[in-house]
This record gives sequence, structure tokens and C-alpha cells, in this order.
Amino acid sequence: EAGVTQFPSHSVIEKGQTVTLRCDPISGHDNLYWYRRVMGKEIKFLLHFVKESKQDESGMPNNRFLAERTGGTYSTLKVQPAELEDSGVYFCASSKRGGPSGNTIYFGEGSWLTVV
Amino acid sequence: AQSVTQLDSQVPVFEEAPVELRCNYSSSVSVYLFWYVQYPNQGLQLLLKYLSGSTLVKGINGFEAEFNKSQTSFHLRKPSVHISDTAEYFCAVSEIAAGNKLTFGGGTRVLVKP
Repeated sequence: EAGVTQFPSHSVIEKGQTVTLRCDPISGHDNLYWYRRVMGKEIKFLLHFVKESKQDESGMPNNRFLAERTGGTYSTLKVQPAELEDSGVYFCASSKRGGPSGNTIYFGEGSWLTVV
Repeated sequence: AQSVTQLDSQVPVFEEAPVELRCNYSSSVSVYLFWYVQYPNQGLQLLLKYLSGSTLVKGINGFEAEFNKSQTSFHLRKPSVHISDTAEYFCAVSEIAAGNKLTFGGGTRVLVKP
């Protein structure tokens, strides 16, 4: 079974440009999450989808970030326009429906974003 | 809101020596507790989790952790480390009522020396 896959693994863009990160969760996982870790900081929650619906987007830093999950399968996270402070690692994760009790959250390898 | 503190940012340890990684949390409600590991160039992998029951939890790769409610701690231990345990370790909590949202600590880098 394939794990959570993320693309691209690394991206270097200039300030003001747009970047779109993609996440393919484990097949059959209704829950999909985005987290990020900026340099020297903790891994922070961004948002949570249940199928195609945003369950919790309280961690999204500002309106330059847009997450979608059309059809409840893969998800994209767009940063537009990118700023220097957006540099970091963006993790996607997924889990089966029903919460963490007995349902492990599986993480991808992350997308490294560098804004110059 | 919860917070998680990992008291050591880096822990150097010799091969075959024991290691303990400290984690303290703060929360006004009951929480689930987790330890994740990130090996070089890989994603986060679950080591173990505490949901309920026995406070001593055993995980993969010989790791175990003990939940101490009175001290709000969830320290991770391994009696004898290997070179392959070199990685970054993250403690995390989630509110039982809130489901899946994880709050992470800052991470502890373990460097195992031969």
C-alpha cells in the first residue's frame, strides 16, 4: 500500500511567485491534514479536511494560503504570493475516519519550500 | 489550548547507551499523547501513542514511554540505542474531544555516536 505522497519534494521560488504543493493521501483515508514547520520552530497544524470539506482551518496563517481537496481525494496547498517567512517544510498527513483513537495519522515526507 | 515542551533540543549519546527524551505538556482537558520520529530524508513516523489504560506504552524499535498525569509528562526511553536511532523525535498531543489536531513540541535531535 502506498503511503502519503507529496509533490514537489523541494521547491525554490522567488518572493512574490506562486507555488502549489500537492498531497495524495493513503487510499481510503477520509481525513487529510496539512502541517508546516518553519525553520527553528515547531510543526504547526494548518488545516484538516474530512473528504472534500474543511473541518478545521484554524491554523492557516493568512489569506495567501489556499487549500483545496476537490473530490475528496488529493489535496493542493497554494501559496500566492509567497513571502520569505513561508519557507519551511510542509507536511501532509492522512488517517481513516473516526479520530485518533486507534487511527494512526500517517505523514508524508514533506515538501521543502524555500522562498528567496 | 495545549502546549508541548521538549526540554532538550539535542541529545548526543553513545551507541548501546540508554537514552531518555523528555516531554512535558500543558492542557486544560484530557489529551492523547504521541511520539513521532523523523529519520534523515524521511517523513514523520509514529513510534508510539498513549490513548488510555496502562501508563507504560511500548512502541516500535524498542522504544517505550511512560505517561505521568500528575507531572504532565510523557518521556520516551530506550535502554540501548543503535546508530540507526539517529533522528529527530517529536512529542505531540491532541485533545480527546477535538479529534485529530496534533500539537507538537519543538523536537529533539538524537545523535548516536559509535
